[in-house]
Amino acid sequence: GAGVSQSPSNKVTEKGKDVELRCDPISGHTALYWYRQRLGQGLEFLIYFQGNSAPDKSGLPSDRFSAERTGESVSTLTIQRTQQEDSAVYLCASSLNPSGNAGELFFGEGSRLTVL
Amino acid sequence: SQKIEQNSEALNIQEGKTATLTCNYTNYSPAYLQWYRQDPGRGPVFLLLIRENEKEKRKERLKVTFDTTLKQSLFHITASQPADSATYLCALLMDTGRRALTFGSGTRLQVQP
Repeated sequence: GAGVSQSPSNKVTEKGKDVELRCDPISGHTALYWYRQRLGQGLEFLIYFQGNSAPDKSGLPSDRFSAERTGESVSTLTIQRTQQEDSAVYLCASSLNPSGNAGELFFGEGSRLTVL
Repeated sequence: SQKIEQNSEALNIQEGKTATLTCNYTNYSPAYLQWYRQDPGRGPVFLLLIRENEKEKRKERLKVTFDTTLKQSLFHITASQPADSATYLCALLMDTGRRALTFGSGTRLQVQP
């Protein structure tokens, strides 16, 4: 597709369950980002992948959160043992150039996670 | 510590007027700053990039200024329209070693017809 694709668009889960969120970046984009946005709040950085470099995981809030990316393709964000505080929209973005080169970010529409 | 600050209160203006939004940052000199627009339930959309050696950048009805002495960027929308109503976010690369953009919390703009 032409844009960043995220799935599922909506996910309702029970506290304690694991969830996986998927992001398909724009083809050819070397950089991929995950952000979290709680209701009425700003974007909170989670993790950044750039090519084959080690990912920047400095934003992950706890060890229940992890993410993978294979090469320059799909990324999966996994949240284990979900808590109600994890309820938010999880936004994925990709860019052609890394942040150091002022690359503009293209965002997906987000995955809305609700933990009951 | 380094911070990005945007006015959290919504800005309400009349159609046709110029909207001015502010992004302040502290303890840092970023190489560039970006502005994004976010509509409810949607992902942010890139609008403009301004670099540290540029004082002003324009795109159609949009104008961004970057004052590295004041540590401030102003985002202007001239001849505003109700369709401009959205939340506007500034973003920059902090000097913390983090390699991804940090976003401000955004300012919601409401243009009244």
